[in-house]
Amino acid sequence: NAGVTQTPKFQVLKTGQSMTLQCAQDMNHNSMYWYRQDPGMGLRLIYYSASEGTTDKGEVPNGYNVSRLNKREFSLRLESAAPSQTSVYFCASSEAGGAGIYGYTFGSGTRLTVV
Amino acid sequence: KQEVTQIPAALSVPEGENLVLNCSFTDSAIYNLQWFRQDPGKGLTSLLLIQSSQREQTSGRLNASLDKSSGRSTLYIAASQPGDSATYLCAVNQAGTALIFGKGTTLSVSS
Repeated sequence: NAGVTQTPKFQVLKTGQSMTLQCAQDMNHNSMYWYRQDPGMGLRLIYYSASEGTTDKGEVPNGYNVSRLNKREFSLRLESAAPSQTSVYFCASSEAGGAGIYGYTFGSGTRLTVV
Repeated sequence: KQEVTQIPAALSVPEGENLVLNCSFTDSAIYNLQWFRQDPGKGLTSLLLIQSSQREQTSGRLNASLDKSSGRSTLYIAASQPGDSATYLCAVNQAGTALIFGKGTTLSVSS
């Protein structure tokens, strides 16, 4: 029962480097999400994809890009990492529609440090 | 803009005590409300999901209630145990966006 799988689990980057965080779900969910979690700020939405082929900005999209590669995979890219992007990143998925009967399932997170 | 508030931010109780965690939200037009547990350095584990048409949900020693009209939810934990020590997060789901989270209540249960 894999659920939502995120890779890598830990990463250290130098300022200006780029990297892609990978997320895959095996629950056939339509919607996928990227959040970041910072002390004192809680979880904030970066981008989401309501269905395959669509992406939308969340609360804190600056400095990030996303790709919904297929129904299973949703990646988050940092083109030029900055220390302010040091955070824990969580991917989640959910089934769309259904008038609110579906919840979200989260991955275990990627802990990113930018030095 | 929806805002979710959790009070208290931290709570310490002795083992065996019954306790209530509070969550409030400013916009009552929600699809559902979800309670999560997060252990230090770990991901989020879903505890309970309450649809907007429901009043409460129960799982074991946990009971979550929802009063949509007043913008409030409570998570009741019966007979608390040291293993319940964690951060509890409340989140609301509404149209046109994704889950919006409160900042959490960090619970410590001492033996």
